[in-house]
Amino acid sequence: EAGVTQSPTHLIKTRGQQATLRCSPISGHTSVYWYQQALGLGLQFLLWYDEGEERNRGNFPPRFSGRQFPNYSSELNVNALELEDSALYLCASNADPFNEKLFFGSGTQLSVL
Amino acid sequence: ILNVEQSPQSLHVQEGDSTNFTCSFPSSNFYALHWYRWETAKSPEALFVMTLNGDEKKKGRISATLNTKEGYSYLYIKGSQPEDSATYLCAAYYGGATNKLIFGTGTLLAVQP
Repeated sequence: EAGVTQSPTHLIKTRGQQATLRCSPISGHTSVYWYQQALGLGLQFLLWYDEGEERNRGNFPPRFSGRQFPNYSSELNVNALELEDSALYLCASNADPFNEKLFFGSGTQLSVL
Repeated sequence: ILNVEQSPQSLHVQEGDSTNFTCSFPSSNFYALHWYRWETAKSPEALFVMTLNGDEKKKGRISATLNTKEGYSYLYIKGSQPEDSATYLCAAYYGGATNKLIFGTGTLLAVQP
């Protein structure tokens, strides 16, 4: 069974550009979570999608947005990139948001120059 | 702002030593406690999910306990091996208006052969 897949693995952008990160959850998982890990910091909650709807978002500006598609895959979009957006972005999925562990992808390393 | 705290921040032990880490979290609206192991260049991998006060879980040489009333969880590793070297993350899930899984900053364990 395929795990959570993320693409691209690495992404290099310049300030002001837009970045799109993609995530495919494990088959049967309806919830997708996005986390950011900036250098020296812990995992910061970004967004949670379940059954196609945004269930919650973390303390990030509106230029961080996303969506979940009917097949439960998800996109994270970051507009007007800033240098401090450089980070590892992890996607995770599960089938039961309240009781089940998260399965993580290997992440997208975003570098903003 | 809900804060999940882990201690110590890092730990260096010799092969064969037993060790333990602490995760502290606010008790209000708490729903579940997760433990993950994150090895370098890999994705975080779930160890345990616990919900009930007094819960104890075990996986091989690793075990965890949960005290929801006082808001802490312990992770124990018996007879540490070099392959146990990783960052150990705990995360607390809060329901209600919070409705998110909040990660601590982790404990970095290095086991010397």
